[in-house]
Amino acid sequence: QKEVEQDPGPLSVPEGAIVSLNCTYSNSAFQYFMWYRQYSRKGPELLMYTYSSGNKEDGRFTAQVDKSSKYISLFIRDSQPSDSATYLCAMSAIGSGGYNKLIFGAGTRLAVHP
Amino acid sequence: DTAVSQTPKYLVTQMGNDKSIKCEQNLGHDTMYWYKQDSKKFLKIMFSYNNKELIINETVPNRFSPKSPDKAHLNLHINSLELGDSAVYFCASSQSGLAGGGSYEQYFGPGTRLTVT
Repeated sequence: QKEVEQDPGPLSVPEGAIVSLNCTYSNSAFQYFMWYRQYSRKGPELLMYTYSSGNKEDGRFTAQVDKSSKYISLFIRDSQPSDSATYLCAMSAIGSGGYNKLIFGAGTRLAVHP
Repeated sequence: DTAVSQTPKYLVTQMGNDKSIKCEQNLGHDTMYWYKQDSKKFLKIMFSYNNKELIINETVPNRFSPKSPDKAHLNLHINSLELGDSAVYFCASSQSGLAGGGSYEQYFGPGTRLTVT
């Protein structure tokens, strides 16, 4: 079983739809929870991060963490064609020496069509 | 001005060859990483260096050898390339490698697409 599970999709939605992306994890030691966005043939870029359970909002994006259920979500409101990308959830685990290591989900490919 | 750059962007080579990928960051970060992304987009960390010191070394064949001449550069040398090494290799950097030091915010390069035939 992978430490982080994410449905790879693809997910296809019409412009303006609300998108829900989800990840589950098994390691209760994970501290930071992140969403990275990766456009085709580009490197991932950090979209949002959160540390505690609850919601965090940034414009059209809301990140939600439920540590008791080991479940995180990213909601995109009023989705735009420019949101078409692969969304990777990531979680941080502390390794030896206090250094962090990110564990990524498989990524969900999202297509928003006009 | 590119924050994290990698060369080459594409690399096509035959099995058994040795190749290197170079990475440079101009963000002033202390920590750099190498990741491998396979055909299913699964991104997995391979190595991490903090101020030229190796801090993360995942279970990677010893044909892969990273080198960090200074904190702005991290290179990856691969010996005796195999078909299974075909992937996109990403370099990344963060301000710090420590848990509370912003290590979650990593800046990725554009990737090097390696194809082994």
